[in-house]
Amino acid sequence: EAGVAQSPRYKIIEKRQSVAFWCNPISGHATLYWYQQILGQGPKLLIQFQNNGVVDDSQLPKDRFSAERLKGVDSTLKIQPAKLEDSAVYLCASSAGSISTDTQYFGPGTRLTVL
Amino acid sequence: GNSVTQMEGPVTLSEEAFLTINCTYTATGYPSLFWYVQYPGEGLQLLLKATKADDKGSNKGFEATYRKETTSFHLEKGSVQVSDSAVYFCALSDPGGSNYKLTFGKGTLLTVNP
Repeated sequence: EAGVAQSPRYKIIEKRQSVAFWCNPISGHATLYWYQQILGQGPKLLIQFQNNGVVDDSQLPKDRFSAERLKGVDSTLKIQPAKLEDSAVYLCASSAGSISTDTQYFGPGTRLTVL
Repeated sequence: GNSVTQMEGPVTLSEEAFLTINCTYTATGYPSLFWYVQYPGEGLQLLLKATKADDKGSNKGFEATYRKETTSFHLEKGSVQVSDSAVYFCALSDPGGSNYKLTFGKGTLLTVNP
């Protein structure tokens, strides 16, 4: 079974530029998550989708971050314009359902450096 | 709100030593508890989980017991190997809200020397 795929693996941009990350979850997984992991900290949820609907985006900085999950499969996360403090690893995860006992499976992440 | 507190790292051990990484939590409901591991250059992988009080999760020689009375989920391994060197994250998923996002601790870096 293929795991969660993410691209690109690394991205370096200047502040105020825009960037987009892509995620393909495990086939058949209804729930998709985007997390931000700043160096030295645990991942923090940015947004959660159930199929193609948003369940939780309370910690997404909506003035600069946006995400979509068209057709309930792939997802993209965009930052525009980027700030220095956005430098982090962006992790995508998926789970089959959305109950607390479900296991979330993580992709390898995209490491973003904002200069 | 929910929170997870892990022992500060880094932790450095010799091969075959005993490992304990402490984890305590605060949650509004009865959470599920997880340990994730992140090997160098790789993504997070589930190591083990427990979904109710007194459950013991185990995998690859690691184990952790869900202790509701002490709100703890300490990770243990009897004999570590060099290949166990990684960052370990304790996390919880709380069914008390409308979603089941994971709340993570800050992670503990483990280095095992030969």
